Amino acid sequence: QKEVEQNSGPLSVPEGAIASLNCTYSDRGSQSFFWYRQYSGKSPELIMSIYSNGDKEDGRFTAQLNKASQYVSLLIRDSQPSDSATYLCAVNPSNTGKLIFGQGTTLQVKP
Amino acid sequence: DTAVSQTPKYLVTQMGNDKSIKCEQNLGHDTMYWYKQDSKKFLKIMFSYNNKELIINETVPNRFSPKSPDKAHLNLHINSLELGDSAVYFCASSQGVILAGYTQYFGPGTRLTVL
Repeated sequence: QKEVEQNSGPLSVPEGAIASLNCTYSDRGSQSFFWYRQYSGKSPELIMSIYSNGDKEDGRFTAQLNKASQYVSLLIRDSQPSDSATYLCAVNPSNTGKLIFGQGTTLQVKP
Repeated sequence: DTAVSQTPKYLVTQMGNDKSIKCEQNLGHDTMYWYKQDSKKFLKIMFSYNNKELIINETVPNRFSPKSPDKAHLNLHINSLELGDSAVYFCASSQGVILAGYTQYFGPGTRLTVL
């Protein structure tokens, strides 16, 4: 089992819709969770971080964490074509100083 | 101002050569990292330094040798390059070690192509 798993997609949604991106992780002791966005040919940039169970909202983005189910998700409301990118889920496993990344989900928002 | 910079942006070289990639951050961060992103976009940590001290050394061939002359710089030297080394290499930095929840900021990447 991979440490951090994401569906590679592509996930295609129409403009204005809600895009839902999912991620599962294997280390039950993981404490920190991150969502990065990566445009083609560019470097990853942090969108959201979440540390405790529940929802965290920032503008059009909502991160959801469920440690019991070892599941973290990212919702993008009112999706725009400019949101089209690869979204990387990253997890900090327990007692390590590193981030483990999933393979990323490619999101396509169609006008 | 560029926060995390890398040089060169592109590197094309022959198998067996030795090459270096340089990274500099002007954020005043204590911790720096090297990541490799392969053709399937899988991003994997290679090394991490905190205050010039190596703290993470993943299972990486010893042809790869990082060096941190000071807190703001982390270089990556690769000996005897192989075809499988072709990838995009990202440098990143964070205020402190990720254990404390600090955010990592990535450089623009260096696309290495080994022919």
